[in-house]
Amino acid sequence: DSGVTQTPKHLITATGQRVTLRCSPRSGDLSVYWYQQSLDQGLQFLIQYYNGEERAKGNILERFSAQQFPDLHSELNLSSLELGDSALYFCASSVEQGWQEKLFFGSGTQLSVL
Amino acid sequence: SQQGEEDPQALSIQEGENATMNCSYKTSINNLQWYRQNSGRGLVHLILIRSNEREKHSGRLRVTLDTSKKSSSLLITASRAADTASYFCATDDTGRRALTFGSGTRLQVQP
Repeated sequence: DSGVTQTPKHLITATGQRVTLRCSPRSGDLSVYWYQQSLDQGLQFLIQYYNGEERAKGNILERFSAQQFPDLHSELNLSSLELGDSALYFCASSVEQGWQEKLFFGSGTQLSVL
Repeated sequence: SQQGEEDPQALSIQEGENATMNCSYKTSINNLQWYRQNSGRGLVHLILIRSNEREKHSGRLRVTLDTSKKSSSLLITASRAADTASYFCATDDTGRRALTFGSGTRLQVQP
């Protein structure tokens, strides 16, 4: 168990809908990262937050947004969903801003857009 | 885009044999990491090697890094069926301030 909690584990929704994925980092970790894993794109970095502030942005679509709350949990919001958004979404956390160091991954949310 | 590319894409071996996976990357790095992913699960950190290191060991794992060739290898010795998983290398992309993962090697260890 990595100590990173993601909910829900599975999510099935329809095109055009909006969903929210939730992540609780390991106790004491201030940084949260979101990754998307799909068969065709592999593991893609989406966004990083550190202590409530956005610190790095990757291949995140404008339809997607994220935030980190004062209690350090993070949410990834996906809107106007398309079939191609179906993927496994991972949250990871690390100590401080240590993006170059070891990441601890949650077990992921499997999103299926029908 | 993928910074690291693993080779081979898939590898099937018998229990007790050694498994070697390779990773090539494109830009300068500060460190390189290897992660394991069991089917449909989260990634688990295995080992980190810094750019000034050439070799590192952890249990049955041996990682080498050749910065002149921009490549790394992961060797799993005396493999077990439980080693069946996908293995990814990850490099620190200073341009994005994020870890960039390769496409992975799927390892199947036959009992």
